[in-house]
Amino acid sequence: DIQMTQSPSTLSASVGDRVTITCRASQSISSRLAWYQQKPGKAPKLLIYQASSLPSGVPSRFSGSGSGTEFTLTISSLQPDDFATYSCQQYHGYSSFGQGTKLEIK
Amino acid sequence: EVQLLESGGGLVQPGGSLRLSCAASGFTFSSYGMSWVRQAPGKGLEWVSGISGSGGSTYYTDSVKGRFTISRDNSKNTLYLQMNSLRAEDTAVYYCAKIHSMGSTYRDAFDIWGQGTMVTVSS
Repeated sequence: DIQMTQSPSTLSASVGDRVTITCRASQSISSRLAWYQQKPGKAPKLLIYQASSLPSGVPSRFSGSGSGTEFTLTISSLQPDDFATYSCQQYHGYSSFGQGTKLEIK
Repeated sequence: EVQLLESGGGLVQPGGSLRLSCAASGFTFSSYGMSWVRQAPGKGLEWVSGISGSGGSTYYTDSVKGRFTISRDNSKNTLYLQMNSLRAEDTAVYYCAKIHSMGSTYRDAFDIWGQGTMVTVSS
C-alpha cells in the first residue's frame, strides 16, 4: 500500500499570505496526485489533478507541483473562503489519502 | 448540473447489513468509473471501493473485502454499496465519487462527490 504523509497537520495564516502544503508518498507515484479542499460537514472539492492541473472553475491562486514522491499545494494569496482542510490523494495504485492539513485563520 | 445523491445510511448493530445508494444525474453515468470513499468522525478520507463504467471490474480496500459489494445499475444511473458484517470501525460518512476521466476505473482523481450519508455501527 502507498502511504501519503502531509505536513504540516495544522497551518495558521492570514488573508493575503502565501502558503504551501507538502505531501510525500511512500513510493514513486509519478504525477498521479490530486488535492482536495474540504469544509466542515461538506464533501471534498477537487482542486488539482495530475499534480499540477486545475479543473475549470478553480481559482488560479491555487497551484500544484511535484512528481515522484514529493508534492506541494500552494495558495498564492489566501482569501477568506480558503480556510478549510486540504487533503492529497494518490491514484498510482488503489487510492489513498493524506491525513489532511487544517488551514486556520491566524 | 452534474449531481450525486447518496441515501441509505443509518444506525445498525455490529454484524448487521446496510445498502447505500447513489443516484447520479447530469452526465453519461455508464461512461465513468465510480467509487465509494468514507470518512470516520474527525479522521481523514479513506477509499473503500471502485467499479468500472460497465460494472465488469470491481476493486476493494483490504479491510472491506468479503464484506462489502459494490455494484451499479446503468439503466437507473445508480451506484450501490452492499455492506455486510458491519463493524464499529466502519462508522463513517460514506461518499460516492465520480472518476475524473472517461474510461478510467479507479486510478484517477474524483471530480464530483455526493453530499455523503452517515453510517453508524453501534449496539
